[in-house]
Amino acid sequence: EPEVTQTPSHQVTQMGQEVILRCVPISNHLYFYWYRQILGQKVEFLVSFYNNEISEKSEIFDDQFSVERPDGSNFTLKIRSTKLEDSAMYFCASRTGQFYGYTFGSGTRLTVV
Amino acid sequence: TQLLEQSPQFLSIQEGENLTVYCNSSSVFSSLQWYRQEPGEGPVLLVTVVTGGEVKKLKRLTFQFGDARKDSSLHITAAQPGDTGLYLCAGGVQGAQKLVFGQGTRLTINP
Repeated sequence: EPEVTQTPSHQVTQMGQEVILRCVPISNHLYFYWYRQILGQKVEFLVSFYNNEISEKSEIFDDQFSVERPDGSNFTLKIRSTKLEDSAMYFCASRTGQFYGYTFGSGTRLTVV
Repeated sequence: TQLLEQSPQFLSIQEGENLTVYCNSSSVFSSLQWYRQEPGEGPVLLVTVVTGGEVKKLKRLTFQFGDARKDSSLHITAAQPGDTGLYLCAGGVQGAQKLVFGQGTRLTINP
């Protein structure tokens, strides 16, 4: 069964450092997403990406965050200057159409110290 | 802000019993999805319902979308220990790309 692949699985970074979280969505999917889950809390939407541009973003997704799909296969989330409160599990997801379910990756656990 | 409230948050029952988990909102959603999430893993899609009143069955699991598309339920018949896990409902926001997630129901089936 096709999978969404995320790397790394764990990342520890110092406050103020830049991090890049990487994802390879399912190849024939058209919609791409990043969600995050702070420990013990709900899964929260960050950003959606369609047709090579951001289609929607949440209030969390401020100027410190950016996404790219540089080569038609990878989908990255960059956090420019990490804060302690960015510590969370970050999930990449993709889907083939608007009324289809998502396929989520296994996540990257980001710890900011 | 659209919210989804799941109930109960925790449920522990004996193997063989039936159970229902509820997902409620005051908002209308374009679709309702149910996921199962294991510790340290991403949510795994169980079902998507898009039509008000729709019922879908997946073996011993029955999913229903409310007529007004504001609520949903997950019913498990003859629960088994393998059903143990965190169940999440998520609503597709109308006119938007994102999903809004409930807080989850942690289900434990005791042998």
